[in-house]
Amino acid sequence: GQNIDQPTEMTATEGAIVQINCTYQTSGFNGLFWYQQHAGEAPTFLSYNVLDGLEEKGRFSSFLSRSKGYSYLLLKELQMKDSASYLCAVVDSNYQLIWGAGTKLIIKP
Amino acid sequence: ETGVTQTPRHLVMGMTNKKSLKCEQHLGHNAMYWYKQSAKKPLELMFVYSLEERVENNSVPSRFSPECPNSSHLFLHLHTLQPEDSALYLCASSQVLGVSGNTIYFGEGSWLTVV
Repeated sequence: GQNIDQPTEMTATEGAIVQINCTYQTSGFNGLFWYQQHAGEAPTFLSYNVLDGLEEKGRFSSFLSRSKGYSYLLLKELQMKDSASYLCAVVDSNYQLIWGAGTKLIIKP
Repeated sequence: ETGVTQTPRHLVMGMTNKKSLKCEQHLGHNAMYWYKQSAKKPLELMFVYSLEERVENNSVPSRFSPECPNSSHLFLHLHTLQPEDSALYLCASSQVLGVSGNTIYFGEGSWLTVV
């Protein structure tokens, strides 16, 4: 079966750095997405990786290793507004999106 | 504002009621989706439409009935639901189907409670 694993919940301190990991086992790979979802709001697109390496976008970076079936989302200079759920999703060989259950990130002052 | 609008935002219905969820996208996309989001579970894809044709129905019970009258509008008709159907229902759209990097844009969802 297809599977996406990410931690259920993480806690970090304002101003710090946090890394949210995502491991996947899917039938094929055509890219990996990260989305952010604040409570009661729509998931919003953060990043897309299809090649190995690090993609940086402001305070957020996303890394991919296809050989290891692994990605992480790195959030720097954490702000209270970064408290949200972070969803990892992989595009499989049929271009279907396989979703993880999400990681709830709690930021403390 | 994501360009995808859902109504109503909240809905409480009895098990014998009939109601509908509405979704409208203002992005000029050709594909639209219904997802179910339950607490601590992955998003469940329910239905996919491409150019108003249903291309996927993931073994969804017949008490959920989608309708796509045009490429901008999508409905989810609900009847004789069960309490376990209580969840957040997310509508989404994307430019096309079946390509890499096909970013999906979500609406804010309709919170459904079945009593």
